[in-house]
Amino acid sequence: GAGVSQSPSNKVTEKGKDVELRCDPISGHTALYWYRQSLGQGLEFLIYFQGNSAPDKSGLPSDRFSAERTGGSVSTLTIQRTQQEDSAVYLCASSSTAKNIQYFGAGTRLSVL
Amino acid sequence: GDSVTQMEGPVTLSEEAFLTINCTYTATGYPSLFWYVQYPGEGLQLLLKATKADDKGSNKGFEATYRKETTSFHLEKGSVQVSDSAVYFCAPNFGNEKLTFGTGTRLTIIP
Repeated sequence: GAGVSQSPSNKVTEKGKDVELRCDPISGHTALYWYRQSLGQGLEFLIYFQGNSAPDKSGLPSDRFSAERTGGSVSTLTIQRTQQEDSAVYLCASSSTAKNIQYFGAGTRLSVL
Repeated sequence: GDSVTQMEGPVTLSEEAFLTINCTYTATGYPSLFWYVQYPGEGLQLLLKATKADDKGSNKGFEATYRKETTSFHLEKGSVQVSDSAVYFCAPNFGNEKLTFGTGTRLTIIP
């Protein structure tokens, strides 16, 4: 596609439910990143995938958060047993190599009631 | 450790005013430096970048110069427009592949 695509654009869920957020990176981009944008914490890094290397999970806030990237393309961020503090906009970005410009999707706004 | 400090907002200016948004960093190495912009209702977009000392990034009338001696990357524009109203983020890449974002500065331009 022309840009990074994220779905859904909005997600409302109840506390305790699991959610899955999807990211389709720009075709051919080997690096994929997840960030979170929240009122209290600003923009923070979550996880990074580069090719077939082990992902950098250093930004994941708890073991309720996980992500995978299948076939080096689409990525899914999963949040288990959601809490109200998980409410935020989750942003995905991709780049052609690890050191190049990161292109961002429009984000998924998650609201946990 | 590596960190970034960005001027707090919000900033409100009249159209055609001069804009400066300060950004400084602390780093053990030499980061690549980026400014991203988020227009209302839109995603983050790269505004400009600089990858080494004394490089000047520029785009849409905005400029920022990589100053190693002052570890700064201040964003400037000589004459702002209403359409520049947005949130601006300074974002170094400290070499560990991920971007570290400043707090963001909300800019509002009044006609």
